[in-house]
Amino acid sequence: QKEVEQDPGPLSVPEGAIVSLNCTYSNSAFQYFMWYRQYSRKGPELLMYTYSSGNKEDGRFTAQVDKSSKYISLFIRDSQPSDSATYLCAMYFGNEKLTFGTGTRLTIIP
Amino acid sequence: KAGVTQTPRYLIKTRGQQVTLSCSPISGHRSVSWYQQTPGQGLQFLFEYFSETQRNKGNFPGRFSGRQFSNSRSEMNVSTLELGDSALYLCASSSGQNTGELFFGEGSRLTVL
Repeated sequence: QKEVEQDPGPLSVPEGAIVSLNCTYSNSAFQYFMWYRQYSRKGPELLMYTYSSGNKEDGRFTAQVDKSSKYISLFIRDSQPSDSATYLCAMYFGNEKLTFGTGTRLTIIP
Repeated sequence: KAGVTQTPRYLIKTRGQQVTLSCSPISGHRSVSWYQQTPGQGLQFLFEYFSETQRNKGNFPGRFSGRQFSNSRSEMNVSTLELGDSALYLCASSSGQNTGELFFGEGSRLTVL
């Protein structure tokens, strides 16, 4: 079993829809939770960074962490074609080493 | 503020050759990490350097090595290339303050023929 599980998709939704992306994890030692966005032929870009359980909002993006269930989510409101990318969840407990999910490929249809 | 710079962006090698990839971190960042990204395995951690010392290493064979210079720039080397080494190699920099907040470069795409 992988430490971080993420549905690879692909996921296609119409423009303006709410998108929900999820990851589960097995290692209770993870303390920090991140979402990265990766456009084709580019490096991952840090999108959201959270520490505690609960919600964190940044514009159209909301990151949610439930440590008791070992479950994290990213919600995108009013999705735009420019949101089309691969979204990677990542988790951290030390030594500057991130453990990534496999990524979910998202396409927003105009 | 300039981001993480990786060179070369693309390269093609043949089996048995070796390759050296370079990474310049964000100014002021002292930690550099390397990751391998493939369609099947996703992003996998190779190693991390801080102040010229390797602090952490992933589960890769000894053919994969790296180093960091006094100006925090880093190189990674892969010797005796295999077809399975074809991947996007990503460098990430951070302050090294143990927050896990990494900033990635655009990667070096290696194709082994």
